[in-house]
Amino acid sequence: SQKIEQNSEALNIQEGKTATLTCNYTNYSPAYLQWYRQDPGRGPVFLLLIRENEKEKRKERLKVTFDTTLKQSLFHITASQPADSATYLCALDMGKAGTASKLTFGTGTRLQVTL
Amino acid sequence: EAQVTQNPRYLITVTGKKLTVTCSQNMNHEYMSWYRQDPGLGLRQIYYSMNVEVTDKGDVPEGYKVSRKEKRNFPLILESPSPNQTSLYFCASRKDRAGANVLTFGAGSRLTVL
Repeated sequence: SQKIEQNSEALNIQEGKTATLTCNYTNYSPAYLQWYRQDPGRGPVFLLLIRENEKEKRKERLKVTFDTTLKQSLFHITASQPADSATYLCALDMGKAGTASKLTFGTGTRLQVTL
Repeated sequence: EAQVTQNPRYLITVTGKKLTVTCSQNMNHEYMSWYRQDPGLGLRQIYYSMNVEVTDKGDVPEGYKVSRKEKRNFPLILESPSPNQTSLYFCASRKDRAGANVLTFGAGSRLTVL
């Protein structure tokens, strides 16, 4: 079965720096890869999606890359702010849109941005 | 406001006492799902529903029941809760249309079974 690996150790960075989070997976590549943000005691919130035929996707200060050869996605937050502190989850979707496919989530990486 | 609403948010109960966690969405989504989140294990799917009267098991369905009598509601039922069902539960929904399966999550229900 598909296994997803995200660094379980917290990532601590200074405000203004670029945070880079890693999501590695085994086996075959998903049709879509998604990133969610989760704050303590709250539900995950969708941030970005990247398709298997896309290399990179951007949204404001966020950037996601997808390397199907390395079986890896990188999630970047540029000019990070303390408000970016949260846990970030990657999720793999193996199926086509509108099917019974489900998202398989990683355990998430906690990001802490300090002043 | 488009949202998924879960109740209760917090619940402490005892082994064997039946309970229901309600979930309601106001986005007219066809697909709804329940997840549980445990430290070190991440989010695991319990049950999902593609539409009214259509439900199916996820990865960890044992000890849970669901029903989908109306499009907007998808309650999670624990007939005889046990301590290993102590967890943080999330309901989620999505619109089934062309595009990827982006989920909208509820705020979560923290359940403790003593």
